[in-house]
Amino acid sequence: GQNIDQPTEMTATEGAIVQINCTYQTSGFNGLFWYQQHAGEAPTFLSYNVLDGLEEKGRFSSFLSRSKGYSYLLLKELQMKDSASYLCAVKDSNYQLIWGAGTKLIIKP
Amino acid sequence: GAVVSQHPSWVICKSGTSVKIECRSLDFQATTMFWYRQFPKQSLMLMATSNEGSKATYEQGVEKDKFLINHASLTLSTLTVTSAHPEDSSFYICSARELAGSGADTQYFGPGTRLTVL
Repeated sequence: GQNIDQPTEMTATEGAIVQINCTYQTSGFNGLFWYQQHAGEAPTFLSYNVLDGLEEKGRFSSFLSRSKGYSYLLLKELQMKDSASYLCAVKDSNYQLIWGAGTKLIIKP
Repeated sequence: GAVVSQHPSWVICKSGTSVKIECRSLDFQATTMFWYRQFPKQSLMLMATSNEGSKATYEQGVEKDKFLINHASLTLSTLTVTSAHPEDSSFYICSARELAGSGADTQYFGPGTRLTVL
């Protein structure tokens, strides 16, 4: 079957750095997405990786290793507004998005 | 950036009535739109994939006669929840995918519609 694993919840301190991991087992691979979702709101697009390596976008970076079926989202200089759920999603061979359950990130002052 | 709107943002209805939710891509054309449902503290669940001008493809376990989807144009898809029951109460989110050539082929999400069935 297809499976996306990410931690259920993480806690970090304002101003610090946090890494949210995602491992996947899917039928084929056509890219990996990270989305941010605040409580009661729809997801917003953060990043897209299709080749191995690190993609940096401001305070957020996303890394992909296709051979390991692994990605992480790195958040630097954490702000209180970064408290949200972070969803990892993989596009499979049918170009269908397979969603992880999301990681709830709690930022403490 | 790509903007997707959804209307209404929230709706309360009586059991047995039907509710229509609209999803619009405001500044791009979307050949494909997706409808998701999300229960509290759970991940997104894909309900159906809607392609402009053709019938929607429903995920297993989703009743096509209960959740009617129409994708009449490249910028509009509608989801109608027919004969709604309390167990249909959920957060319904649509997303739209830009036409091919956008590289990441990213889905952009609408703000969601919170449906409460009494």
